[in-house]
Amino acid sequence: DGGITQSPKYLFRKEGQNVTLSCEQNLNHDAMYWYRQDPGQGLRLIYYSQIVNDFQKGDIAEGYSVSREKKESFPLTVTSAQKNPTAFYLCASSDSGTFLYFGPGTRLTVL
Amino acid sequence: GENVEQHPSTLSVQEGDSAVIKCTYSDSASNYFPWYKQELGKGPQLIIDIRSNVGEKKDQRIAVTLNKTAKHFSLHITETQPEDSAVYFCASLAGSWGKLQFGAGTQVVVTP
Repeated sequence: DGGITQSPKYLFRKEGQNVTLSCEQNLNHDAMYWYRQDPGQGLRLIYYSQIVNDFQKGDIAEGYSVSREKKESFPLTVTSAQKNPTAFYLCASSDSGTFLYFGPGTRLTVL
Repeated sequence: GENVEQHPSTLSVQEGDSAVIKCTYSDSASNYFPWYKQELGKGPQLIIDIRSNVGEKKDQRIAVTLNKTAKHFSLHITETQPEDSAVYFCASLAGSWGKLQFGAGTQVVVTP
């Protein structure tokens, strides 16, 4: 079955540490996205990539970094510069720029 | 930039009743309006969408209406069932390809 996988499902980080969230898709989609979700708020775009080796900042890119070396993979690194990283992180992909397929999410908690 | 407001933030309905969620957008260039359903601990899933050249779209018990003049669109769920309990997000797309702007979400609770 085609889809998007995110790992791990739960992630705990100590303050000052960088962590990397994995996102893999086998839908053959060109575009991939990272969203952050906080309680009571909508999804906010962190980074997106329309093609391999190219990515753009979203609305809240500060403290995050990404890479897009392969079409099927779009890992997100939460750096120590992100002051409030505890959140639910969602990866998505699209072949049209409109219809987004979301992964199951990773819940990151800073201890 | 685009701003999407969604109301209400929570909605409790009796099973069998209808539920309506409303969203307003600010950018007149917006031309695509999807609705997503998110169950607890999962990623959102698209349930219905509408483009700016259509005023209404229906899929079984769910429907979406769009008023471009007033810049608002609504989700209607009829004959609600317990499995409709979830968080629903509206979104709009204007300008850059793929950069959806989401509303804050509506927690819908259907009580038997």
